[in-house]
Amino acid sequence: GIQVEQSPPDLILQEGANSTLRCNFSDSVNNLQWFHQNPWGQLINLFYIPSGTKQNGRLSATTVATERYSLLYISSSQTTDSGVYFCAVDPNFGNEKLTFGTGTRLTIIP
Amino acid sequence: NAGVTQTPKFRVLKTGQSMTLLCAQDMNHEYMYWYRQDPGMGLRLIHYSVGEGTTAKGEVPDGYNVSRLKKQNFLLGLESAAPSQTSVYFCASSYSRQGNYGYTFGSGTRLTVV
Repeated sequence: GIQVEQSPPDLILQEGANSTLRCNFSDSVNNLQWFHQNPWGQLINLFYIPSGTKQNGRLSATTVATERYSLLYISSSQTTDSGVYFCAVDPNFGNEKLTFGTGTRLTIIP
Repeated sequence: NAGVTQTPKFRVLKTGQSMTLLCAQDMNHEYMYWYRQDPGMGLRLIHYSVGEGTTAKGEVPDGYNVSRLKKQNFLLGLESAAPSQTSVYFCASSYSRQGNYGYTFGSGTRLTVV
């Protein structure tokens, strides 16, 4: 099956810093999503982005499908950004069965 | 609009006991999923459903059964619980290929098998 690698596995930053999280995948995809799991365990969908660039406030994401990677940018980090960020992909049309990476744990220090 | 609701939120089982986890969504989503999350392993798909009355196996289906008798509900059953099934279980739903693909997750069920 498709392999999903996220880097870095852990990231500790001061409040106000910017960060870039990377997701590499081993095959072409038709579905790619980014999720944030907060310290209480809730999973929130951030972006559906199989290709191109999207922005939502301080967060933006870019997927370069031809080169099999996606980037999540977080600007002006806040303590509420702490948690684990997951990238998930699906190579197939229609089923939308996502394969998750193992995540990047982001800790924002006040 | 509650989104995706999972019950129960916590449960402790003895080895060999059975239980059913309930997932309900009120967004009229076609697709529903059960994942398990273990430390350091991300989320792994157990079973999924692409519509009422349909189910299919995911990556780690052994020891689990599912049913989707109504579009809004997706049940996950453990017939004979084992300690290896200690995990956090997440249900999710998503729309069809014509609509928003984004997943909506429930808040999770923390299951401990002793």
